[in-house]
This record gives sequence, structure tokens and C-alpha cells, in this order.
Amino acid sequence: SQTIHQWPATLVQPVGSPLSLECTVEGTSNPNLYWYRQAAGRGLQLLFYSVGIGQISSEVPQNLSASRPQDRQFILSSKKLLLSDSGFYLCAWRTRKGLAGGPGEQYFGPGTRLTVT
Amino acid sequence: AQSVAQPEDQVNVAEGNPLTVKCTYSVSGNPYLFWYVQYPNRGLQFLLKYITGDNLVKGSYGFEAEFNKSQTSFHLKKPSALVSDSALYFCAVRTRLSNTGKLIFGQGTTLQVKP
Repeated sequence: SQTIHQWPATLVQPVGSPLSLECTVEGTSNPNLYWYRQAAGRGLQLLFYSVGIGQISSEVPQNLSASRPQDRQFILSSKKLLLSDSGFYLCAWRTRKGLAGGPGEQYFGPGTRLTVT
Repeated sequence: AQSVAQPEDQVNVAEGNPLTVKCTYSVSGNPYLFWYVQYPNRGLQFLLKYITGDNLVKGSYGFEAEFNKSQTSFHLKKPSALVSDSALYFCAVRTRLSNTGKLIFGQGTTLQVKP
């Protein structure tokens, strides 16, 4: 069966410090991968998605970047954190099927709670 | 532009009563539709999806959803609510044409089931 891991679970960082959040998926290959941010326990904002190694698409210009160094590894980074980067960060994956990707749902990791102080 | 609307920030029901969480969508062409549930400080859990065929879709934990193409709605339902159903519910949509699988999420509806 497939599982998705995120770490750390919680993180408190000062303004201006760097950030690295990691997401890994097990039990599947060549997944689509996604990074979301959830502010104030409500709506989800898609930050980045990736359809393959080294392929990153950014949805919202911001202080963050993403990388996919391996097929099942997705990393969210920042060189200098801002207070507005605080939030709940969620990684998700889905199976790709065919050219149109198929109707597969996304599966989410447990999330990382980031507090920037 | 694609969008999803969940018109109620919160839905309150008594345990044992039926529940409905509303969702309407706007997307080009025929959509794929999804419902997710989120418990506090957890990731989203997939409940069910509509791809094609029968308009009534059954999912996890006794939930079901009804697809209505003419009203562009996909309301989540359960015949008898449990206190443990209390959580945040998200409706999501994506176009069949996208090979990225990107989902458009609604803002979420908090379901409160009282004993």
C-alpha cells in the first residue's frame, strides 16, 4: 500500500531563517506531487506541483521554492522566512494514468505546522 | 475560470439526524468531483469522488454525494450523523482535460454534530 510522510510535524522558526520541509511517498512510482498551504484552518492554497523529477510548477509567486530531486521526494524550501509564511503545509500525491492523468484522487500527508516568530 | 463554492461556513446537526453539506462548482466541460474530510491538525482524508455514471456516489464512513449536472452541485450527505463526524469538509473539482491533476478546493464547511 502507498504511504506519504512529512517531516517535521511541527516547526518554530525565527523570521529570516531558512526552511526545508520534506515529503516522501512510498509504494508508488512516478506520482504527481503537490505542496499546499492552509492558513487559519480553512482554505487550501496550492503552492507547487510536480509531474516528474526536476519538473516544478509554481502557482503563486512568493518566498518559497520547491524541488523534486528523486521520483518520490518533494522538498519545500525558503532562504529567508517571513511572518506570513506561517501555516499548515500539506503534501499530496496522486497516481498518473495516461496523457490526461486519469481521474485519480489526491492523497494527503499528515502536514507540517510552521510557526514563524 | 474554475471555482468551487461551499456556501455554509458551518453546519450544525443533532446526532442521528441526516446531514447535508452543500457544494456547487463551475468548470469547463465535465468535471471530476471530490469530497475530503479534515480532522484538527491532520491532513485531508479522501471520502469519495464522482467520475461518471450513477449520480449517487457512496464513499467512506457512510457518506454519499449526489451529482446534479443541471444545478452544478455535488452535495455531501449522510443519513444519520455521528458526533465523530464533526470535522472540516472540503469539496474539490478538476477538469478532465488537465494532466496535472490540480484540484480546485472550496473554502471548507465545518460540520458540528451535537449529542
